[in-house]
Amino acid sequence: DTAVSQTPKYLVTQMGNDKSIKCEQNLGHDTMYWYKQDSKKFLKIMFSYNNKELIINETVPNRFSPKSPDKAHLNLHINSLELGDSAVYFCASSSGTRAYEQYFGPGTRLTVT
Amino acid sequence: AQKVTQAQTEISVVEKEDVTLDCVYETRDTTYYLFWYKQPPSGELVFLIRRNSFDEQNEISGRYSWNFQKSTSSFNFTITASQVVDSAVYFCALSEESYGQNFVFGPGTRLSVLP
Repeated sequence: DTAVSQTPKYLVTQMGNDKSIKCEQNLGHDTMYWYKQDSKKFLKIMFSYNNKELIINETVPNRFSPKSPDKAHLNLHINSLELGDSAVYFCASSSGTRAYEQYFGPGTRLTVT
Repeated sequence: AQKVTQAQTEISVVEKEDVTLDCVYETRDTTYYLFWYKQPPSGELVFLIRRNSFDEQNEISGRYSWNFQKSTSSFNFTITASQVVDSAVYFCALSEESYGQNFVFGPGTRLSVLP
């Protein structure tokens, strides 16, 4: 009965590869997010998405793209991975946008070698 | 632009002590929302509280309490009678109604509660 789930939990890959991280929520929420947490624990929003609007943080390289097959899923696809992409990526969901608390997945630790 | 400052990078207390985690925010908006999240050593992020800009009432939940003061743009978090299980990184976050990207997190305060 996990509310927000992510797979895989760990991902180790080489520079230049393309990878995806999957996220699913069973809370019935209509807004989902991706965050990046770096080694110093700084959390930065990458995308927020509902079925009407995708908001992209302008600092996110276009190698990163969210893909949503339906309201319960928001996957993160990363092209041409770089060393600096190593981080923990969190998926989250909420019942609305700016005013609502978010519920986070367990995180995916991505290591690029 | 919006900004969240958590000036205390790390705090260590002994069990049963009270501890206050500071959060100061900047916003141009009149409608905004403030949040606290906890990230224990296991890594997950746990929602603790949400407060909107029109509600300055302080809140208490068990050993946790929050003091929201618009006059000083602060939303501080106090843990009373701290316990070892309170050891975590605590994040304050801001979301504005009108401007910019939603959800900006502060840098976090690492709290260590020693037995």
